[in-house]
Amino acid sequence: ETGVTQTPRHLVMGMTNKKSLKCEQHLGHNAMYWYKQSAKKPLELMFVYNFKEQTENNSVPSRFSPECPNSSHLFLHLHTLQPEDSALYLCASSQGAVANYGYTFGSGTRLTVV
Amino acid sequence: DAKTTQPTSMDCAEGRAANLPCNHSTISGNEYVYWYRQIHSQGPQYIIHGLKNNETNEMASLIITEDRKSSTLILPHATLRDTAVYYCIVRASNTGNQFYFGTGTSLTVIP
Repeated sequence: ETGVTQTPRHLVMGMTNKKSLKCEQHLGHNAMYWYKQSAKKPLELMFVYNFKEQTENNSVPSRFSPECPNSSHLFLHLHTLQPEDSALYLCASSQGAVANYGYTFGSGTRLTVV
Repeated sequence: DAKTTQPTSMDCAEGRAANLPCNHSTISGNEYVYWYRQIHSQGPQYIIHGLKNNETNEMASLIITEDRKSSTLILPHATLRDTAVYYCIVRASNTGNQFYFGTGTSLTVIP
């Protein structure tokens, strides 16, 4: 596989469930990102990891918990979410945080909280 | 990072050139102009970027005015698959500077 792969593509979860989103990149990049895109709204940057270290957390509620075990994998652990957390969650990667050639995005996970 | 202004929506006839404008009048000397596009329900796709010279690749051309206060993305022969939201972003290439996406221009290519 090439590029940035996100699983699952679609997820429906109850407010009391715990689930995880997975992102894997096969590009040899060392920076990874989580974005949230709610309906009719711009993309919102959530977390930034550079060489497995979290370098940015944009005031994201603690019910979202990221994990970056290595430069190729990024997870977003979800627990006790609210219906307003329903959105498209996008993962991206770049060659370093400087990212001269931009970010490569995955296709996203469409999350619905019921 | 500098703010950008783009039209909310545009139409383009299939086979014709699509010219998407972007204003970035407060751009700083070290900020690049990046363009991405997002096809419905997919992740954004990097298209092209430039500092002050015009750039061209297999997807598009980027024309930046001499004063760098505006730019135009040109899709030379638009196809139906080019229907997407196009984002113009200005960003300095320093560690820690992220890409902040606005609302972009929704381009519809009409058969």
